Amino acid sequence: QQQVKQSPQSLIVQKGGIPIINCAYENTAFDYFPWYQQFPGKGPALLIAIRPDVSEKKEGRFTISFNKSAKQFSLHIMDSQPGDSATYFCAATFNSGNTPLVFGKGTRLSVIA
Amino acid sequence: GAGVSQSPRYKVAKRGQDVALRCDPISGHVSLFWYQQALGQGPEFLTYFQNEAQLDKSGLPSDRFFAERPEGSVSTLKIQRTQQEDSAVYLCASSLTHWETQYFGPGTRLLVL
Repeated sequence: QQQVKQSPQSLIVQKGGIPIINCAYENTAFDYFPWYQQFPGKGPALLIAIRPDVSEKKEGRFTISFNKSAKQFSLHIMDSQPGDSATYFCAATFNSGNTPLVFGKGTRLSVIA
Repeated sequence: GAGVSQSPRYKVAKRGQDVALRCDPISGHVSLFWYQQALGQGPEFLTYFQNEAQLDKSGLPSDRFFAERPEGSVSTLKIQRTQQEDSAVYLCASSLTHWETQYFGPGTRLLVL
């Protein structure tokens, strides 16, 4: 049973565009939702994270939107750059994150100049 | 400061061989996680340590997989009698207790022939 469903599987946008990646979760006990960025040959790196008590969080060009009633959250990348080309994973966990992360299957983003 | 390090970065094993993968967490991090990432997939949880105690090993796929962290710092993931389906990237992550962020190492890419 996949607890975190992520879409789309891949995404191609023009430089300056706003890619949007969506995730849906099933377990209402989840209380921490991070997004990770992974470049080829590297481990995932935390990008931004949100808790369900807020509906939006922005850090630089990255924004998370959170809809608790729909059990969905999404990542928006403003003014996307070729350097943003990577695989993005949403994840979820509970107990303040000191428990294993449940990851989505990932979205491969390509930003073309 | 130094991040999570893993060794070896690449390992090729013949089917049936035993392998040992090492993880050096960030100094002072109490929690340590192992994940398995198949090609094109998100990381999947294997096991979790708090200090030297293995609190959760529900993700280990078979009894051929064994992990330890005897002194509460460095951890080793051992796979006995490797099979082709064990081929994957093995990621280690560490975090401070009561701190949300899990910091990942670069992973060990295991190929079983």
